[in-house]
Amino acid sequence: GNSVTQMEGPVTLSEEAFLTINCTYTATGYPSLFWYVQYPGEGLQLLLKATKADDKGSNKGFEATYRKETTSFHLEKGSVQVSDSAVYFCALSPTWSGGYNKLIFGAGTRLAVHP
Amino acid sequence: DTEVTQTPKHLVMGMTNKKSLKCEQHMGHRAMYWYKQKAKKPPELMFVYSYEKLSINESVPSRFSPECPNSSLLNLHLHALQPEDSALYLCASSQDPSSDTQYFGPGTRLTVL
Repeated sequence: GNSVTQMEGPVTLSEEAFLTINCTYTATGYPSLFWYVQYPGEGLQLLLKATKADDKGSNKGFEATYRKETTSFHLEKGSVQVSDSAVYFCALSPTWSGGYNKLIFGAGTRLAVHP
Repeated sequence: DTEVTQTPKHLVMGMTNKKSLKCEQHMGHRAMYWYKQKAKKPPELMFVYSYEKLSINESVPSRFSPECPNSSLLNLHLHALQPEDSALYLCASSQDPSSDTQYFGPGTRLTVL
């Protein structure tokens, strides 16, 4: 079946540190991959996406590359800020086969950045 | 514009109350979703509306009743809820049921006393 596995948090970093949050997936076919971010007390915001192998999604300094050979979509940022403190969800949308396109989420990784 | 709006932002209700959550999008999307999110967990799908028709009900108790009055609006009617129904309720939309990308609203924080 389809599933997403994320590294467990919390991840605690100092401001300007390098961030990596690992995400691996299991899926048949060619899923689309996403990172969503949830700031405290808010809904989910789409951070970035990639729809095919070797695609790189990027937004607000965050990047993730769709690696089919390792079934991974790791989130990176070169220099985090306190304002990046949030929960990050990796998700996949399977190859559509009729019906609706379900989003499958990882468990979420909490990031705390301190000054 | 990829905005989904939800009202109210917060709702406190007793177990005998009837209340409704509202979701709106003006992106011309034809698929809309209700999710429930408990603390420190990912969202769980409740309902899917496709072209204003209910297409998926993920075994949700009947005390939750969805409604899609038109292509821009989605409601969730609540009646006789239990304290364990307290959660963040998220609405999302996508261009159509086959679209891979869902856009979420800010959510309604529901507390059932």
